[in-house]
Amino acid sequence: QKEVEQDPGPLSVPEGAIVSLNCTYSNSAFQYFMWYRQYSRKGPELLMYTYSSGNKEDGRFTAQVDKSSKYISLFIRDSQPSDSATYLCAMSPFSGGYNKLIFGAGTRLAVHP
Amino acid sequence: DSGVTQTPKHLITATGQRVTLRCSPRSGDLSVYWYQQSLDQGLQFLIQYYNGEERAKGNILERFSAQQFPDLHSELNLSSLELGDSALYFCASSVRGGGETQYFGPGTRLLVL
Repeated sequence: QKEVEQDPGPLSVPEGAIVSLNCTYSNSAFQYFMWYRQYSRKGPELLMYTYSSGNKEDGRFTAQVDKSSKYISLFIRDSQPSDSATYLCAMSPFSGGYNKLIFGAGTRLAVHP
Repeated sequence: DSGVTQTPKHLITATGQRVTLRCSPRSGDLSVYWYQQSLDQGLQFLIQYYNGEERAKGNILERFSAQQFPDLHSELNLSSLELGDSALYFCASSVRGGGETQYFGPGTRLLVL
């Protein structure tokens, strides 16, 4: 079993839809949770960063972390064709200097006009 | 643009050969990370350096080695290359090396023939 599970999709939605992306994990030591967006053949770009549990909002993006359920989510409101990309969740344990990100497999999202 | 640079962008080589990938971190970042992204394994952590010293190791093969130089740039050396080493190799950097954000470079696409 992988430490981080993420449905690879693909997920296809119409423009303007609310998108929900999710990851589950097994390692209770994870403290830092991130969502990266990766366009084809490009480097991952950080979207959201959360420490421990709770919600964080940034524009059209909302990240949620539920440590009791070992479940994280990313919501995209008013989705746009430019949001079409692969979304990777990533996690890291509290480390004091050792920072190994564990990534999910990535969910491919297509937003069609 | 994340501020992390990687060279070369593309590399084509033959089995058994050795290559060197180069990474320059963002200005002020002391930690450098190397990741491998392949279709079947996803994005996997290889190794972390902090201010010239190795800090954490992931799934890095013995044929692979890395180092971080006094000017903080890093090199990943891949030797005795096999077909299965074909992948995207990303470098990321962060300020210190704890749980803070990692910024990714554009990657080097390696094709082993």
